[in-house]
Amino acid sequence: AQTVTQSQPEMSVQEAETVTLSCTYDTSESDYYLFWYKQPPSRQMILVIRQEAYKQQNATENRFSVNFQKAAKSFSLKISDSQLGDAAMYFCAYRVDGGATNKLIFGTGTLLAVQP
Amino acid sequence: NAGVTQTPKFQVLKTGQSMTLQCAQDMNHEYMSWYRQDPGMGLRLIHYSVGAGITDQGEVPNGYNVSRSTTEDFPLRLLSAAPSQTSVYFCATTRPAGGYGYTFGSGTRLTVV
Repeated sequence: AQTVTQSQPEMSVQEAETVTLSCTYDTSESDYYLFWYKQPPSRQMILVIRQEAYKQQNATENRFSVNFQKAAKSFSLKISDSQLGDAAMYFCAYRVDGGATNKLIFGTGTLLAVQP
Repeated sequence: NAGVTQTPKFQVLKTGQSMTLQCAQDMNHEYMSWYRQDPGMGLRLIHYSVGAGITDQGEVPNGYNVSRSTTEDFPLRLLSAAPSQTSVYFCATTRPAGGYGYTFGSGTRLTVV
């Protein structure tokens, strides 16, 4: 069964600094997608970044980038120039491409605090 | 363009009561799902649907019932509420292929006393 593990329940970063959130996953599939979602105190789930497993190039969205290591089944999120608005719960998630279920499997989350 | 609309946003139930959480999407997506979020456990899949008339169980289906009569609506029913069902519930939708991200509703915070 596919699993997603986030080993850091909480992290803290100073404003303007860089922080990296860790995520590992377990799967026997070759085609899949990985995501990072942000959940601020408003509770809304916001898609931050998406990575296609067949692409070796790491995805980037403005200050957010990933380090995708397929062989190691690792998918970390780097936030550069951290801002107060980045404070949130961050979830790593995995999805198999196509198929009947399209399930999105989540890790347990990392709560990020940003210190002014 | 509302995306995914969940109602209500908050609800308090007494043990044994029943209720329906509503979910509606205007994105014309075939796939819809319900998750519950509990502290330290992430989001866990309750039920999902790959199209009108087709539903299946997820990871934690006990105590919940779903139906899908239209593409747009996917209600979640709590048959006899228990304190263990105190949680935040999310409805989500996505396209069936292509690895698209999910679009989530704003969530329902349910407390069972």
